[in-house]
Amino acid sequence: AQTVTQSQPEMSVQEAETVTLSCTYDTSESDYYLFWYKQPPSRQMILVIRQEAYKQQNATENRFSVNFQKAAKSFSLKISDSQLGDAAMYFCAYRSPNYGGATNKLIFGTGTLLAVQP
Amino acid sequence: EPEVTQTPSHQVTQMGQEVILRCVPISNHLYFYWYRQILGQKVEFLVSFYNNEISEKSEIFDDQFSVERPDGSNFTLKIRSTKLEDSAMYFCASSGLAVYNEQFFGPGTRLTVL
Repeated sequence: AQTVTQSQPEMSVQEAETVTLSCTYDTSESDYYLFWYKQPPSRQMILVIRQEAYKQQNATENRFSVNFQKAAKSFSLKISDSQLGDAAMYFCAYRSPNYGGATNKLIFGTGTLLAVQP
Repeated sequence: EPEVTQTPSHQVTQMGQEVILRCVPISNHLYFYWYRQILGQKVEFLVSFYNNEISEKSEIFDDQFSVERPDGSNFTLKIRSTKLEDSAMYFCASSGLAVYNEQFFGPGTRLTVL
């Protein structure tokens, strides 16, 4: 079974600085998808960024980028130029590929609570 | 932009009572999900639903739980006899047939069992 581990329960960053959130996972699959979701105090889950395992290039979405190390099974999230609105719980999630009936469920890590200091 | 909606936002019930949590997925989506998040813990998968049947369920999703898509737009989660430990945030999500199949989440229903 696949597992996702986030070893940093809490992180703090100064506004405008850069922070990296760690995520590791365990799987025997060679093809899969990885996601970072943001959960602000409103509790809604918002997709931040995704990465397909077959792509070697790291995904980037504006100030958010990932460092995907497939061999190490590591998927960290880098937030550049941190803003007060980035303060939230961040969840790393894994999903198996959708091959004709295979599961689509997301497997989440325990989350990292990010505080942004003004 | 289309979004997943959930009602009610907060439900308070007595232990042993039945509750129905409602979700309206994005209209052209075909996969539907329920997840649960106990306060302070991680989000856990409950069940996925496709083509009018359950495609996968977790060990949490026992006989007390059921899902239904009664009318082609709503997707409901029923808990037959609530327990104190059912108190949690329940998220509905839906996804389409895109290659990577992003799941869009609703705002959640906070269920409090007294």
